[in-house]
Amino acid sequence: EAGVTQFPSHSVIEKGQTVTLRCDPISGHDNLYWYRRVMGKEIKFLLHFVKESKQDESGMPNNRFLAERTGGTYSTLKVQPAELEDSGVYFCASSQVGAGEQFFGPGTRLTVL
Amino acid sequence: GENVEQHPSTLSVQEGDSAVIKCTYSDSASNYFPWYKQELGKRPQLIIDIRSNVGEKKDQRIAVTLNKTAKHFSLHITETQPEDSAVYFCAAKTPGAGSYQLTFGKGTKLSVIP
Repeated sequence: EAGVTQFPSHSVIEKGQTVTLRCDPISGHDNLYWYRRVMGKEIKFLLHFVKESKQDESGMPNNRFLAERTGGTYSTLKVQPAELEDSGVYFCASSQVGAGEQFFGPGTRLTVL
Repeated sequence: GENVEQHPSTLSVQEGDSAVIKCTYSDSASNYFPWYKQELGKRPQLIIDIRSNVGEKKDQRIAVTLNKTAKHFSLHITETQPEDSAVYFCAAKTPGAGSYQLTFGKGTKLSVIP
């Protein structure tokens, strides 16, 4: 079984630019989550999709972040415009059942210069 | 919201010794506590979890204990091996409103010295 995949693995952009991260969950997993880890800090929740619907977006830091999951399959997370403090590792996770184990992807390391 | 504190931030042990990582949580309603291991350059992977109706769970050399009254839980690794070297994260999940978000600790970097 293929695990959660994320693209790209690394992204380096200038402040003010736009970046789009992609996550492909494990096939059949209705639940998809985005998390972020800023250097040296904890992994923080951003949002949770159930199929194509946003179940919980309480962790989204501000309106520069836009997450979508059209069709309930893969998801994208767009940052526009990027700021220096957006640098970190963005993880995607998925689970078959909401209360079940969350399987993490390898993460996308975003560096904003 | 939930807050999870994790200690220590770094831990070095000799191969064969035991390692203990401790976490505390703030929300007494939290009912699920997973532990993730992240090896260098790899994704976080679940190694063990415990639910609030259980006090202890073991899986070979790994065990987790939960004290609901004190709101803390711990990871115990016995007979450590070099391949146990990694960053370990504890987390807690608070039920409610269909949200399944995990609240993580800051991580513990475990080094097992051969």
